[in-house]
Amino acid sequence: DAGVTQSPTHLIKTRGQQVTLRCSPKSGHDTVSWYQQALGQGPQFIFQYYEEEERQRGNFPDRFSGHQFPNYSSELNVNALLLGDSALYLCASSLTGTDQPQHFGDGTRLSIL
Amino acid sequence: AQSVTQLGSHVSVSEGALVLLRCNYSSSVPPYLFWYVQYPNQGLQLLLKYTSAATLVKGINGFEAEFKKSETSFHLTKPSAHMSDAAEYFCAVSDKNNAGNMLTFGGGTRLMVKP
Repeated sequence: DAGVTQSPTHLIKTRGQQVTLRCSPKSGHDTVSWYQQALGQGPQFIFQYYEEEERQRGNFPDRFSGHQFPNYSSELNVNALLLGDSALYLCASSLTGTDQPQHFGDGTRLSIL
Repeated sequence: AQSVTQLGSHVSVSEGALVLLRCNYSSSVPPYLFWYVQYPNQGLQLLLKYTSAATLVKGINGFEAEFKKSETSFHLTKPSAHMSDAAEYFCAVSDKNNAGNMLTFGGGTRLMVKP
């Protein structure tokens, strides 16, 4: 049973570019969340998707957007990249419900030059 | 808004010694609580969760945590540290009143195990 898979594993971009990160949830999960983890810090919640709609959003600018597809997979898009966007981007999936634990992928390491 | 405090960004113990990693949350309504472990260049792995059942929760790899409402704490312990326990540990909470299960994380504690 495959867990949460993310692609690509590493990515290098320059300031001002746009990037798309992809996530496939664990089998049976219908909820996908995205987190940003800067070096040496805990993950910060970006947003969560359920039934192809954004259900919750953290304190991130509109440059960060997402999508969930009918097969529950998800994309994270970041426009107008800044140096400060360099981080590990983690995708997590779960069943819906506030008590449901989230299962994380290994992340995409994004470096902005 | 929820907040999570992990006292001690770095904790060092000897192999075989007790491991104690501290976590306190700020919420008038006790949230759901989780501990995750992160090994280098990997994602987060769930160690254990508290979701309003028994206050002493047992997890994987010999870890356990006790929920204490009066102290707003959810400290993680392990009786005897192994070298393989060296990693970053994160405490996280999920607000019961939210529509979803977004997690708020603490800053993390790096556990070092000396031979």
